[in-house]
Amino acid sequence: SQKIEQNSEALNIQEGKTATLTCNYTNYSPAYLQWYRQDPGRGPVFLLLIRENEKEKRKERLKVTFDTTLKQSLFHITASQPADSATYLCALTDSWGKLQFGAGTQVVVTP
Amino acid sequence: DAGVIQSPRHEVTEMGQEVTLRCKPISGHDYLFWYRQTMMRGLELLIYFNNNVPIDDSGMPEDRFSAKMPNASFSTLKIQPSEPRDSAVYFCASSRHDRANTGELFFGEGSRLTVL
Repeated sequence: SQKIEQNSEALNIQEGKTATLTCNYTNYSPAYLQWYRQDPGRGPVFLLLIRENEKEKRKERLKVTFDTTLKQSLFHITASQPADSATYLCALTDSWGKLQFGAGTQVVVTP
Repeated sequence: DAGVIQSPRHEVTEMGQEVTLRCKPISGHDYLFWYRQTMMRGLELLIYFNNNVPIDDSGMPEDRFSAKMPNASFSTLKIQPSEPRDSAVYFCASSRHDRANTGELFFGEGSRLTVL
């Protein structure tokens, strides 16, 4: 069966450091991979999308890599700030538009 | 645009009652998704539509759940009869797939359902 795995343990990081999150998947041939941010009591908000033929994407302090051989994506938040504290969700889209999410990883940035 | 609009924001009902959740997607979006989120199971895809047609409902838990999209601006998710294990936050999301848009989802604020 298709699986999307994210680290279930919260990532505690000091302000200014780089947070790195992992998303692994099995039994999937995704057309592209997306990352979302979710704050408590709110719906997820789109951050970045990377296609299967792309290796890396950047947006401000965010960077995503996508390795279809390893079936893994890494999500980096550089120069992290307390306002970056949230749950980050990885999502995969297949060629029919079906989008499924991982369980998410909570990030806590302390001053 | 006002974004994806869901109603009600909160619903408390008793076991056995019918529950109807509503969603208005963003105008011009051709995909609509219904998700359920719980602490135990995370964000689960229930069903999604393309151009008002259900494409994949394999995530719908059982026959008690049904979803409709009678037109491009409205969708409903119905649970009949409801059970305590249906308690969760139900999210609706919409997206647009074309050359300029790559299908990122826009979520509503969710409907928090509590079944007693």
